[in-house]
Formats: sequence, structure tokens, C-alpha cells
Amino acid sequence: DIVMTQSPDSLAVSLGERATINCKSSQSVLYSSNNMNYLAWYQQKPGQPPKLLIYWASTRESGVPDRFSGSGSGTDFTLTISSLQAEDVAVYYCQQYYTTPALSFGGGTRVEIK
Amino acid sequence: EVQLVESGGGLVQPGGSLRLSCTASGFTLSAYWMNWVRQAPGKGLEWVANIKQDGSRKSYVDSVKGRFTISRDNTKNSLYLQISSLRAEDTAVYYCARDRGAYTDYVSASDIWGQGTMVAVSS
Repeated sequence: DIVMTQSPDSLAVSLGERATINCKSSQSVLYSSNNMNYLAWYQQKPGQPPKLLIYWASTRESGVPDRFSGSGSGTDFTLTISSLQAEDVAVYYCQQYYTTPALSFGGGTRVEIK
Repeated sequence: EVQLVESGGGLVQPGGSLRLSCTASGFTLSAYWMNWVRQAPGKGLEWVANIKQDGSRKSYVDSVKGRFTISRDNTKNSLYLQISSLRAEDTAVYYCARDRGAYTDYVSASDIWGQGTMVAVSS
């Protein structure tokens, strides 16, 4: 089983500043045959279901603002919010699908306004 | 509008059973892998199970194997999760979620989620 570990558990960032969330997998999620990282990022606001932000580690879902970006490869990944907005307050989760169809999520990172 | 709506949750005693349903609209259910994901109160997301487009392949997280059964009826645009031998630790909001890829042989990210249905296990 692949274990996904996120850090930090929570962070507080000033409006307009950069927020960086890390996700580490216990084994590589890079599939060598297609050179794709089987990793996604989700945003979950209170009382709402998760929303897909990023898939294939760096591909932004349609309609997601370009201040959200994903990077990394192999076992280490980052979700960056380049300029934090009030509506970005949420919990963010990474998810691997390398072991498809079995999936697993990270524990989540809470983003708040400083 | 592309939409998923869950139903069937409720309060159940330990050892009891429930059947959760998820009704799809606005897209062809038969084209997609479908997932169930749960979230215990105040906790993170946990993938529970998924099922291939035609129902020919099913996968489960270890903690529910032998107790939960995922199924689908594409003619009724519906996904199901039969949950049995319920334990306190199964208390959660259960979401159904659509895989973002149509007609794929593998599961990837989930792009459409329902609002969830709450299952509470308590005596």
C-alpha cells in the first residue's frame, strides 16, 4: 500500500501571499512507461464535497484559477497557491492513483488566513 | 447539469446494515469508473471502493472487505454500496464520486462528487 503524508497539517498565510503544501508518497507514483505521475490534489471547503484541482500532478482541472499549481515527481509533490485569496480557505488533500484501482489520500492540510 | 445525489444513510446499530444509493444525471454513467469515498466526522478522506464501467471489476479498502459490496445498475443510472456488519468506526459521510476519464481501463482522479450521505453507527 502507498501511504501519502502531507505537511504541514495546517498553515496560516496572509492574503496575497504564497501558500505551499507538501505531499510525500511512500513509494514512487511515477509510471515509467508513460512518464506520468499518478497524483491529484483536491480542495474541500467546510460542509462541501471535495473539488478536483490538479491531476497528473500538474494539470489544472478546467475552471480552476491559475494561482493553483502542482509540481513534483516520483515521491515528492507540492501544491502552490501563488496569491492566497479569502475563498481559498479550505482543507487540501493529495491522492495517489498509481495503485489503481486502489486509491489513497493524504491526511489533509488546513489553510487559513493569517 | 452533471450531478450525483446520494441517499440511504441513517442511524444504525452496530452489526446492522444499510444500502447506500447514488443517482447520476447529466452524463452516461456506463462510461465511467465510480468510487465511494468516506469521511469520518472531523477527519480526512478515505477511499472505500470502486467499480469498473460494466461492473466486471471491483476493489475495496482492506478495512471493509467482506463487509461492503459495491454494485451498479447503469440502466437506472445508479451506483450502490451495501454496507453490513457495521462498526462504530464506519460512522462517516459517504460520497460517491465519478472518475474523470471516460471509457478508461484504470481509475484516476475524481471530478464529480455528490454532497454525501451520513451513516452513523451507534447503539
